[in-house]
Amino acid sequence: GAVVSQHPSWVICKSGTSVKIECRSLDFQATTMFWYRQFPKQSLMLMATSNEGSKATYEQGVEKDKFLINHASLTLSTLTVTSAHPEDSSFYICSAERGDTNNEQFFGPGTRLTVL
Amino acid sequence: DQQVKQNSPSLSVQEGRISILNCDYTNSMFDYFLWYKKYPAEGPTFLISISSIKDKNEDGRFTVFLNKSAKHLSLHIVPSQPGDSAVYFCAAIFSGTYKYIFGTGTRLKVLA
Repeated sequence: GAVVSQHPSWVICKSGTSVKIECRSLDFQATTMFWYRQFPKQSLMLMATSNEGSKATYEQGVEKDKFLINHASLTLSTLTVTSAHPEDSSFYICSAERGDTNNEQFFGPGTRLTVL
Repeated sequence: DQQVKQNSPSLSVQEGRISILNCDYTNSMFDYFLWYKKYPAEGPTFLISISSIKDKNEDGRFTVFLNKSAKHLSLHIVPSQPGDSAVYFCAAIFSGTYKYIFGTGTRLKVLA
């Protein structure tokens, strides 16, 4: 149980286009989901906390107009990278919390974004 | 300011020996700690956790030790196996939130 999926697993796009990444909790309802970004050889950086039915809470330094987050249901959160640029190329990972598991987050497999 | 630090970016250990990964934190308000394992291009997978009311938690080959006075925790893997080769992240949480503060990671390489 507690499976989180992401789609797509990798995407290549042209500079200036927008890319949407989906995060789904497959066998549980997640009131809160998180989006992380990982640069090569660096730690996981929390970008935002996504709560179902409300606006996401963004971490300091993360542009909310650049990284649009929507948490439309208890099993789906989406991250849209708008007007992508090469510096947005990264590995994006989502996670979901299942309230009965003692603070544990369940991570998705990640999405590799390459912006040309 | 890095609140959770893993000062060793990499560690090599012989198969069968003990691997010890260290993690230091600065905020005494953290009250729950977790270790995650991560392979390249994959999401992290949960290994083991510990509450601040404990000083040790053991699960199979993995044991986490917490020293609150030193604001230090460590993950022991015994015996180490080649499949343990990965990047290990420690994470800390404030009570009542799910917001993880991750360390910078330690790349473990277990040599056969």
